[in-house]
Amino acid sequence: QVQLVQSGAEVKKPGASVKVSCKASGYTFTTYAMHWVRQAPGQRLEWMGSINAGIGDTKYSQKIKGRGTMTWDTSATTAYMELSSLRSEDTAVYYCASGLNWDFDYWGQGTLVTVSS
Amino acid sequence: DIQMTQSPSSLSASVGDRVTITCRASQSIIAYLNWYQQKQGKAPKLLIYAASRLQSGVPSRFSGSGSGTDFTLTISSLQPEDFATYYCQQSYSPPVTFGGGTKVEIK
Repeated sequence: QVQLVQSGAEVKKPGASVKVSCKASGYTFTTYAMHWVRQAPGQRLEWMGSINAGIGDTKYSQKIKGRGTMTWDTSATTAYMELSSLRSEDTAVYYCASGLNWDFDYWGQGTLVTVSS
Repeated sequence: DIQMTQSPSSLSASVGDRVTITCRASQSIIAYLNWYQQKQGKAPKLLIYAASRLQSGVPSRFSGSGSGTDFTLTISSLQPEDFATYYCQQSYSPPVTFGGGTKVEIK
């Protein structure tokens, strides 16, 4: 069955960078785009961007463009999301999610990123 | 960006009740509307896609309807495991956006 397994929780200082990984199994990695969605405490879900390893395409939300980098390693069936110049507002649970088109059938377990001095 | 507005933001209901949650888009999204259920500390789960199509494995007490800008999620007979937060999401145009959520609590 499809599984997305993310890396563990991170605590970072303001201005630092964080890199979260998401290992996919149970399907051909290049079949679906991989999306990153975050949820700040008490807030709604926010789409950050996506990668499509099959066609080598990435898309970013305007909010993180310039600070976010999404990459992948096809041989390792792993996607990565790096966010730089962290600020307190980036404290959130970060999810990878995948599925057909823009329907998120499969989700990772989430990675809590805490930004605090 | 397309704005998604859900109502109510929370509701209290009893087991067996019929529950309806609404979602409004700031422009027409045809039927590109998904519904997710999120339990505390867990990832969201896709319940309904394309406004009215039940995801495989989701109980038939869940149903979705609507088109254009107005959509509803209905739980025909609320069960104990349905107490959670529900989010709508438009998949019509990136950036995809989510509603603010509706928390369904036990009365």
